[in-house]
Amino acid sequence: DTGVSQDPRHKITKRGQNVTFRCDPISEHNRLYWYRQTLGQGPEFLTYFQNEAQLEKSRLLSNRFSAERPKGSFSTLEIQRTEQGDSAMYLCASRQGAKGSYNEQFFGPGTRLTVL
Amino acid sequence: GNSVTQMEGPVTLSEEAFLTINCTYTATGYPSLFWYVQYPGEGLQLLLKATKADDKGSNKGFEATYRKETTSFHLEKGSVQVSDSAVYFCASRDNQGGKLIFGQGTELSVKP
Repeated sequence: DTGVSQDPRHKITKRGQNVTFRCDPISEHNRLYWYRQTLGQGPEFLTYFQNEAQLEKSRLLSNRFSAERPKGSFSTLEIQRTEQGDSAMYLCASRQGAKGSYNEQFFGPGTRLTVL
Repeated sequence: GNSVTQMEGPVTLSEEAFLTINCTYTATGYPSLFWYVQYPGEGLQLLLKATKADDKGSNKGFEATYRKETTSFHLEKGSVQVSDSAVYFCASRDNQGGKLIFGQGTELSVKP
């Protein structure tokens, strides 16, 4: 197992364009999390899935953001009409989780988005 | 809501110095607590964890004890190495969905 992977690693786009990021979790993990990290700050939770169901969304996730995990495996995060304030590192993490379990979240390398 | 506050960096130490990075949390109930480390150019890695009060997490010479009375989870190492230079994040875990709530990170630089 190669761990959590994310694609692309870097994305530069112009303001107003749409972008989509992909996350491939560790294969047996049923929970998948998206976080956003801006320079000098810790990661902030965006949303999470248990299998294909999106169970929680942060209020940081404006209506320009949408995430999917259609078959309970990989996930995509789309940002529509990007703004300069969307520039950040987008992190994906996965874990084998049930309520109350202590299993670790494993993080991917992140996708760094720059909006010009 | 839950939050985590950790001491601001950057922290610069000489090799073999003693390290403390302070972390306090606010939460409903007793969340699991974690320290993650991010080495230059790499992703976040779990360093250690504690799941209940008075637990001590340890790994690679680092330790942290879950203190319910002071709502703290300070990271310590007796003798740091240059290879410990990284950004360290304290985090608590929401007991419902398992999302992590991170502090702002503390950059550690160890000089030879």
